[in-house]
Amino acid sequence: DAKTTQPPSMDCAEGRAANLPCNHSTISGNEYVYWYRQIHSQGPQYIIHGLKNNETNEMASLIITEDRKSSTLILPHATLRDTAVYYCIVRVAVDSSYKLIFGSGTRLLVRP
Amino acid sequence: DSGVTQTPKHLITATGQRVTLRCSPRSGDLSVYWYQQSLDQGLQFLIQYYNGEERAKGNILERFSAQQFPDLHSELNLSSLELGDSALYFCASGGSRVEAFFGQGTRLTVV
Repeated sequence: DAKTTQPPSMDCAEGRAANLPCNHSTISGNEYVYWYRQIHSQGPQYIIHGLKNNETNEMASLIITEDRKSSTLILPHATLRDTAVYYCIVRVAVDSSYKLIFGSGTRLLVRP
Repeated sequence: DSGVTQTPKHLITATGQRVTLRCSPRSGDLSVYWYQQSLDQGLQFLIQYYNGEERAKGNILERFSAQQFPDLHSELNLSSLELGDSALYFCASGGSRVEAFFGQGTRLTVV
C-alpha cells in the first residue's frame, strides 16, 4: 500500500546534479514526504524530509510542488558513492504514532 | 553508525526451525519498527512497537511475532521457518525526532 510512484532506474554523470522524481498524488495534508537510500544491502539511510516547504541539508535538497502531489530529490553534485536505491516515502499516521511504507524505489547509477 | 544495533548479523537455519532476531534502538528512542526485505525486493513493513506496546501492524505472518521489553530492546520471533522466509530483516528506531534510523540488518538464510 505504498503511496508513492518512482521511476525504477535513472543514471547521471559524476559531478552533475541528480534529480529524482516522486509522485504522491494521494498524500494527505498532514503527511510528510521522506527520502531514504539504500546502498547495496545496508540499512536504509535517512536523507531528508518535508511537509510543504522546500528543504535543504548537507546531503540533498527536497522540492515539493505547491499541490504536494509530487516532489523531487536533488543531489547537487553526485558522486560514485551516491549509487544506491532511493526511496520516496509518505509517512502514514497510525493512532498517535506513524509508519514508513516503502515503495519500489529508484535505482540511481552514477557514471564516472 | 546509526546507533541501532541488530544481532546476529547472519543466521542460517533449517526449515521448520524457530529463530529470534534482536534489536537495540538508539538511546532515547521509544519506537521500534521491523521490516523484511527479500532478495531484490523493497522493504515490507512488519510491525511497530512504542514503549512496549504494539502500535501498528503490516504484512506480518502469523508465524512471526515480536515484542518490546522494558529496556526498549525488541525481539522478532520467526517460527516454522520456510525457504521463502530467507531475507534481510531490518529494525529501525524513532522517537521525538521525526526520522527513523535503521540498523544494518540480520540476514536470515533458511535451508
